[in-house]
Amino acid sequence: NAGVTQTPKFRILKIGQSMTLQCTQDMNHNYMYWYRQDPGMGLKLIYYSVGAGITDKGEVPNGYNVSRSTTEDFPLRLELAAPSQTSVYFCASSYSHSNSGNEQYFGPGTRLTVT
Amino acid sequence: GNSVTQMEGPVTLSEEAFLTINCTYTATGYPSLFWYVQYPGEGLQLLLKATKADDKGSNKGFEATYRKETTSFHLEKGSVQVSDSAVYFCALGGRSGGSYIPTFGRGTSLIVHP
Repeated sequence: NAGVTQTPKFRILKIGQSMTLQCTQDMNHNYMYWYRQDPGMGLKLIYYSVGAGITDKGEVPNGYNVSRSTTEDFPLRLELAAPSQTSVYFCASSYSHSNSGNEQYFGPGTRLTVT
Repeated sequence: GNSVTQMEGPVTLSEEAFLTINCTYTATGYPSLFWYVQYPGEGLQLLLKATKADDKGSNKGFEATYRKETTSFHLEKGSVQVSDSAVYFCALGGRSGGSYIPTFGRGTSLIVHP
């Protein structure tokens, strides 16, 4: 199993450009998540998905969009990039089948700089 | 709603010192509790977990016990190594608004000197 993979690892964008961060998991997990982590800070949830075709907003969704057409893939789209979106982006997945919740598996992250 | 509070860092220790990182939580129901570790330049990875009260999770010399009476899940290690330098996140599982949305603490940076 490759687990959770993310591409690209690094990216520099100019203000106003757009891009898609890719995320794929091969564990057949139903839940997938996108987080951002600013320097020295914790995680903030951007969007999540409970299964193919179903997505919902997290804590900081403005400026981002997602789609979930398959169980495996959960791309994050940035439209009109702004300097405030400079961050490290992590994708995660989990298989949640109990009311107590299961652990998440994280990708290695995408380091994005907007200048 | 659910919340996790963990001690602020950085925690700076000498090699072989004893480590405690405090974590307390507020939650409805009976969530699972987790500690994740993030090494420099990497994503988070699960360190240990506990799924019910009085469970003890352990891995790589780290331990944490699910204490329902004090709503705590403190991380401990008897003798830290330089390679333990990382950021540690306490988290709780369970449902939030009907979906499984984990709640994370802010993270505690650990720096271990030789």
